[in-house]
Amino acid sequence: AQSVTQLGSHVSVSEGALVLLRCNYSSSVPPYLFWYVQYPNQGLQLLLKYTSAATLVKGINGFEAEFKKSETSFHLTKPSAHMSDAAEYFCAVSGGGGTSYGKLTFGQGTILTVHP
Amino acid sequence: DGGITQSPKYLFRKEGQNVTLSCEQNLNHDAMYWYRQDPGQGLRLIYYSQIVNDFQKGDIAEGYSVSREKKESFPLTVTSAQKNPTAFYLCASSIGAQNYGYTFGSGTRLTVV
Repeated sequence: AQSVTQLGSHVSVSEGALVLLRCNYSSSVPPYLFWYVQYPNQGLQLLLKYTSAATLVKGINGFEAEFKKSETSFHLTKPSAHMSDAAEYFCAVSGGGGTSYGKLTFGQGTILTVHP
Repeated sequence: DGGITQSPKYLFRKEGQNVTLSCEQNLNHDAMYWYRQDPGQGLRLIYYSQIVNDFQKGDIAEGYSVSREKKESFPLTVTSAQKNPTAFYLCASSIGAQNYGYTFGSGTRLTVV
C-alpha cells in the first residue's frame, strides 16, 4: 500500500523567497508521483508529475520537483514566490496493481501563504 | 475542449433530504472518483468506478450512493443518512493508467440549511 506524508500543513514565505513544500512517500512498487495545486473553491490542477523519465521534473508556473529514491522524497520548489502562488498544494502517489490500478493516494495538503 | 463538469457549483440541502451531485466528463476516461474535502482533512475518497456498471466504496462511503450507467457520467447522491454532509465535493476522472493522474472538476459546495 502507498502512503504520502506532507510535512507542514501551513508554509508561509515572503514574496520573492524560495518555496519548499515537502513530500515523502511510501510505496512497495516503483512510484509515480504528482503535485497538484488548488485555489480556493476550485478543483485541483496538475502542477507536475514524475513517471521515471527524469528525476528532476519541471512543471507549470515555475515549479519543479526532484525525485530522490534514497530519501523517498518528492519535494516541490520554486526559486521565487509570487503572490499568485498562494494556494493549497497536494502531493499524490500512484502505484500498485489489481483493483487499485491508477488510483491516487493523496497527502493531507499544505497551504502556502505568500506575504508581500 | 475535453473536460470534466460538476454541477451545480453551490447546493443547499434541507435536513432529511437526498440530493444528487452531477459529474460529467467527455475525456473518454474509464475511471471516475468522488472525493469529499473538509478544512484540514485533505481529500477523502467516497466512491470510485473503474468501468461502467461497476463501482467500489472508498474510505467514507456511508450515507452516499453512486451509479455508473454511462461512461461519461458518475452522479453522487448524498442521502439523509449522511449526518454531516456540509463539505466541498470533488469529482475526478482518469484513464486508469498508473502514470496518468487525475483530471478534476471544479467542485460542488454542499451546505445543509
